[in-house]
Amino acid sequence: QTVVTQEPSLTVSPGGTVTLTCASSTGAVTSGYYPNWFQQRPGQAPRTLIYSTSNKHSWTPARFSGSLLGGKAALTLSGVQPEDEAEYYCLLYYGGAWVFGGGTKLTVL
Amino acid sequence: EVQLVESGGGLVQPGGSLKLSCAASGFTFSGSAMHWVRQASGKGLEWVGRISNKANSYATAYAASVKGRFTISRDDSTAYLQMNGLKTEDTALYYCSRLIDWGFDPWGQGTLVTVSS
Repeated sequence: QTVVTQEPSLTVSPGGTVTLTCASSTGAVTSGYYPNWFQQRPGQAPRTLIYSTSNKHSWTPARFSGSLLGGKAALTLSGVQPEDEAEYYCLLYYGGAWVFGGGTKLTVL
Repeated sequence: EVQLVESGGGLVQPGGSLKLSCAASGFTFSGSAMHWVRQASGKGLEWVGRISNKANSYATAYAASVKGRFTISRDDSTAYLQMNGLKTEDTALYYCSRLIDWGFDPWGQGTLVTVSS
């Protein structure tokens, strides 16, 4: 069974920078896994921030960026804002099926 | 406006069946792959399955946890999730989403399925 692993929780200060990562139990994450990153606030549906590793939607704030880093997919927030406090999920493609990571709860403190 | 609206959720007994709908508007539905994702209360997101677009012959794929019990289908403007043999662990908020350019957009607001006796 394929497992996608994210940090369970991270804390960052306002204005700071934080990197969330997404690892695959099958090995290094490459662009062929088409990593997606979602933000979910309590009581709301997920919102896609990043797709296909590093592509942004029109609504994605410029402070969010996606990349591949050390064999993992990564989501970096630069200049964190209080409203960035949320749960973040990554999603990877495995040739027909997709698997979510367990999510990272980001606290801005 | 590109929009997805789920419906059909409710309370069902273990072993029962339920069919969810995902009504699409604002885009060329036949050209889009449609996915179902669920979230149990207080838990993370779980990919359930997908149905491909017309160009890919509307092929389906499912998560191991639902394979053989759930079936995804579609017509001209709606995607469906037929759920049979429901278990208490299938209790969740079910979302649909469109896959476009390897990204998921939009998301519906979700429909709640509760499996309980």
